[in-house]
Amino acid sequence: EDKVVQSPLSLVVHEGDTVTLNCSYEVTNFRSLLWYKQEKKAPTFLFMLTSSGIEKKSGRLSSILDKKELFSILNITATQTGDSAVYLCAVEAIAGKSTFGDGTTLTVKP
Amino acid sequence: DTEVTQTPKHLVMGMTNKKSLKCEQHMGHRAMYWYKQKAKKPPELMFVYSYEKLSINESVPSRFSPECPNSSLLNLHLHALQPEDSALYLCASSQRGPDSGTFYNEQFFGPGTRLTVL
Repeated sequence: EDKVVQSPLSLVVHEGDTVTLNCSYEVTNFRSLLWYKQEKKAPTFLFMLTSSGIEKKSGRLSSILDKKELFSILNITATQTGDSAVYLCAVEAIAGKSTFGDGTTLTVKP
Repeated sequence: DTEVTQTPKHLVMGMTNKKSLKCEQHMGHRAMYWYKQKAKKPPELMFVYSYEKLSINESVPSRFSPECPNSSLLNLHLHALQPEDSALYLCASSQRGPDSGTFYNEQFFGPGTRLTVL
């Protein structure tokens, strides 16, 4: 059975801190790993990673995948209160089927 | 239009009712998905439609019946639900269907329907 494990489950930081969120996985026939941000309602897409070692960046967020060690990290620098959310990692193995981790709840305090 | 819309936003129903959830996208996506999300849990995949055909059914009870009338619309028909079916039901779409044989892009999620079964 495919498994996606995120750590930590929750994290509280102050504005300006840098955070690293972790996602490890065990799947057969890996296709891609995706990061989403979920605030009050629907998850919104952040990154899709398919190749090892290639960093993807969007503003203060960046992510990288290690297909040998089967994990990905999501970095957020200079955190802001608006970054407070649940960050979900999902791995697509069978085409169309994404398995989600339990998420990391990030709280950024002013 | 880069939005997935869902109606209704909230739904309260009894165990003997029949209701439907609706999802619509106009991004030309050929894959559409239904997820169920309980509080403080990640989304759980229920169904995947690819090119208007049911591609994945994650062993969902028959009281949930999906329908894809065309490439822009996805319905979820509900009948004889149980209180434990109360959850946020999310619809999503993506650019390429699972049967395309190629990687496909991120899923765009709708805002969800908050369902309460009494």
